[in-house]
Amino acid sequence: NAGVTQTPKFQVLKTGQSMTLQCAQDMNHEYMSWYRQDPGMGLRLIHYSVGAGITDQGEVPNGYNVSRSTTEDFPLRLLSAAPSQTSVYFCASSYSKEYEQFFGPGTRLTVL
Amino acid sequence: AQSVSQHNHHVILSEAASLELGCNYSYGGTVNLFWYVQYPGQHLQLLLKYFSGDPLVKGIKGFEAEFIKSKFSFNLRKPSVQWSDTAEYFCAVMAYGNNRLAFGKGNQVVVIP
Repeated sequence: NAGVTQTPKFQVLKTGQSMTLQCAQDMNHEYMSWYRQDPGMGLRLIHYSVGAGITDQGEVPNGYNVSRSTTEDFPLRLLSAAPSQTSVYFCASSYSKEYEQFFGPGTRLTVL
Repeated sequence: AQSVSQHNHHVILSEAASLELGCNYSYGGTVNLFWYVQYPGQHLQLLLKYFSGDPLVKGIKGFEAEFIKSKFSFNLRKPSVQWSDTAEYFCAVMAYGNNRLAFGKGNQVVVIP
């Protein structure tokens, strides 16, 4: 099993550009989520999904969109990048929402 | 919504010293509790978890944590740290009936050889 994979590992954007961060898991997990990690702030939940076709907002959803058309994939879209979105983004999955989450390696995003 | 507090964000200690990291949460109902560790340059890994049963749980690498319901706490301990324990440690809480896992702000632990 590859576990949770994320692409790209690094990305630099200009303000106003859009992009999609990819996340995939091969563990048949129902629950998937996106976090951003900023120094001194811990991990903050952006969006999550409890199954294919079902998504909901987390703590800091503004400026981000998600969709879950399959169990395996959970892409995160930045609609119009802003410098405040400079961060490290982690995708995670778990068998169900109550269980341990498995994290991907992260995407380091810089918005200029 | 539940919140998680971790104190003493930066901890510096020598090898063989004991480590205790505090974690308090604000939710009165049933919770699942986790400690995750992030080694430098790596992603988060589960250290240990508590769902129910014995409130003293043991995890990997000699870590343990104690759930004290009356204090809404889930403190992490290790009797004797090693240089390789240098990492950032995160406490996380998920309340029953809530779909969101809430993280604390983390403890940056540096172990000096």
